[in-house]
Amino acid sequence: AQTVTQSQPEMSVQEAETVTLSCTYDTSESDYYLFWYKQPPSRQMILVIRQEAYKQQNATENRFSVNFQKAAKSFSLKISDSQLGDAAMYFCARGGRQGGSEKLVFGKGTKLTVNP
Amino acid sequence: EAQVTQNPRYLITVTGKKLTVTCSQNMNHEYMSWYRQDPGLGLRQIYYSMNVEVTDKGDVPEGYKVSRKEKRNFPLILESPSPNQTSLYFCASSLFSRGTEAFFGQGTRLTVV
Repeated sequence: AQTVTQSQPEMSVQEAETVTLSCTYDTSESDYYLFWYKQPPSRQMILVIRQEAYKQQNATENRFSVNFQKAAKSFSLKISDSQLGDAAMYFCARGGRQGGSEKLVFGKGTKLTVNP
Repeated sequence: EAQVTQNPRYLITVTGKKLTVTCSQNMNHEYMSWYRQDPGLGLRQIYYSMNVEVTDKGDVPEGYKVSRKEKRNFPLILESPSPNQTSLYFCASSLFSRGTEAFFGQGTRLTVV
């Protein structure tokens, strides 16, 4: 089975500091998408950032950026200038064979705490 | 407002009593999926559908049924719920397009006693 591994069950960061969440994945495909989703206490799943495997440039969305290492099958999320509202569960996910979100495979999640 | 709507949000039921969790999306998405979320396990896909009348098993389909008679609706059916199906359930939908995000419902917290 193709898997996604998040090795950090919990992480904490001081407000305004930077934190990096790790994710590795397994795939036999050459083209695919990777996603980071955020789940705050409200339970809503919110897309943070996405990356296409064919693109060498790392994706960036405001304070969120990724370090995508295709050969190593690594997809880490960096949060800069952390804010209290960033506290949440973060899930790394790999997209389906057709490149879409029809069959997402999720990691087990990392719980991020932001300390004031 | 574009959204995925699940009902109910919370449900407590007894073992063996059939139940249905409804899911509806108003974005004309082709793909719809059901996931369950358990502590320490992340989200795991139960079933997905690529279009009307086309459904397929995900990673944990045992004990569940689905149907896709209309494009907007994708109900999840538990014909004989058991305590190990106590979980948080999410419905999701997405376009038939590469790289598009999945839109998730608000979740249904199911407890089977």
